[in-house]
Amino acid sequence: GQQVMQIPQYQHVQEGEDFTTYCNSSTTLSNIQWYKQRPGGHPVFLIQLVKSGEVKKQKRLTFQFGEAKKNSSLHITATQTTDVGTYFCAGYSGAGSYQLTFGKGTKLSVIP
Amino acid sequence: DAGVIQSPRHEVTEMGQEVTLRCKPISGHNSLFWYRQTMMRGLELLIYFNNNVPIDDSGMPEDRFSAKMPNASFSTLKIQPSEPRDSAVYFCASSPTGQPLHSPDSGANVLTFGAGSRLTVL
Repeated sequence: GQQVMQIPQYQHVQEGEDFTTYCNSSTTLSNIQWYKQRPGGHPVFLIQLVKSGEVKKQKRLTFQFGEAKKNSSLHITATQTTDVGTYFCAGYSGAGSYQLTFGKGTKLSVIP
Repeated sequence: DAGVIQSPRHEVTEMGQEVTLRCKPISGHNSLFWYRQTMMRGLELLIYFNNNVPIDDSGMPEDRFSAKMPNASFSTLKIQPSEPRDSAVYFCASSPTGQPLHSPDSGANVLTFGAGSRLTVL
């Protein structure tokens, strides 16, 4: 079945440093979504990417979808303590697919 | 909009007891998902309903787990009998449609999660 791998599993950064998490799928994805889960909270939708090579920005967050639609990345510029949490990517594999497969997430810690 | 509502938020029970988790999806959403989250296995899809009908329950770990959706505004996940290895956070999520890939660039297939039910089985 479809697998979505995320690296790194954990990342500790000093406040102000940049952060990147990478997502790789074993199959071509129709779209990819990113969610953020704060400590003790629930996953919250951030963004969805659909097109090959697509890049979207949300303030300090930059999301990319690979040309082959099998990988994606999330980059945070100048991290802040409010960025702390676990970032998940999730993808639908193909036409008619209803199952959103989640990666295991990257847990970000920001040291003030 | 109150979002996806789950209850109880926390449940501590003893091995062998029955556990029932409840979920109220967002009004108008046609799809409902039950996920389980653990440190070891991450977020696992247990079962998915579309228009109150169970579509895929292949993620349900074993016969001790059952889920129902008697109407569009309510779903339950039951574990009977519970075991310590069932300890996890159980999330319910809903999305507007059960046909996400017909319009992959719409927001119809975005999941809204509830706050979760943290289950501890002693």
